Amino acid sequence: DGGITQSPKYLFRKEGQNVTLSCEQNLNHDAMYWYRQDPGQGLRLIYYSQIVNDFQKGDIAEGYSVSREKKESFPLTVTSAQKNPTAFYLCASSTQLRGRGNTIYFGEGSWLTVV
Amino acid sequence: AQSVTQLDSHVSVSEGTPVLLRCNYSSSYSPSLFWYVQHPNKGLQLLLKYTSAATLVKGINGFEAEFKKSETSFHLTKPSAHMSDAAEYFCVVSGGGADGLTFGKGTHLIIQP
Repeated sequence: DGGITQSPKYLFRKEGQNVTLSCEQNLNHDAMYWYRQDPGQGLRLIYYSQIVNDFQKGDIAEGYSVSREKKESFPLTVTSAQKNPTAFYLCASSTQLRGRGNTIYFGEGSWLTVV
Repeated sequence: AQSVTQLDSHVSVSEGTPVLLRCNYSSSYSPSLFWYVQHPNKGLQLLLKYTSAATLVKGINGFEAEFKKSETSFHLTKPSAHMSDAAEYFCVVSGGGADGLTFGKGTHLIIQP
């Protein structure tokens, strides 16, 4: 079945440590996204990518980095510069970045907790 | 500019009774509209979407929504609630934001036995 796979589901980060969240899709989508969701809150866009080897900052990119070396993969690194990283992280993809009717599909999410 | 307002942060209904989750939007053009559901510790799942065809849109799990341009609304309904419907629901309008979407803040649906 086609879909978006995020791993790990749960991740613990120590102070000063960088961690990477994996996101893989087999939907043949060009656009991919990372969102952050805090408990009881809506979604905030961290980074997005329209095509391979291209990505742009979203609304809350500080302390995060991404790469898009392959169409299927869009890993997110949470760096030590992100002072409050504890949150639920959602990866998503769509056939195109924008456009009427463009539908975004989401992965199952990853919980990151600072210990 | 696009905006979306989910009028209730929490809705509580009894099992077997109708569900109504309200969403109003603002858009400078004819938008696409979506409803997503999120169960605890899960990703968002698409329930239904409106893109300019029929104004009454049927989705999965018995949900439907009606696009009312004159009222700028896209309310989500279900005739009979089931315990498994307990979740967070997000209304989304196309346009605005770098990702081309504007998300509502969500409505938490509680189902009483």
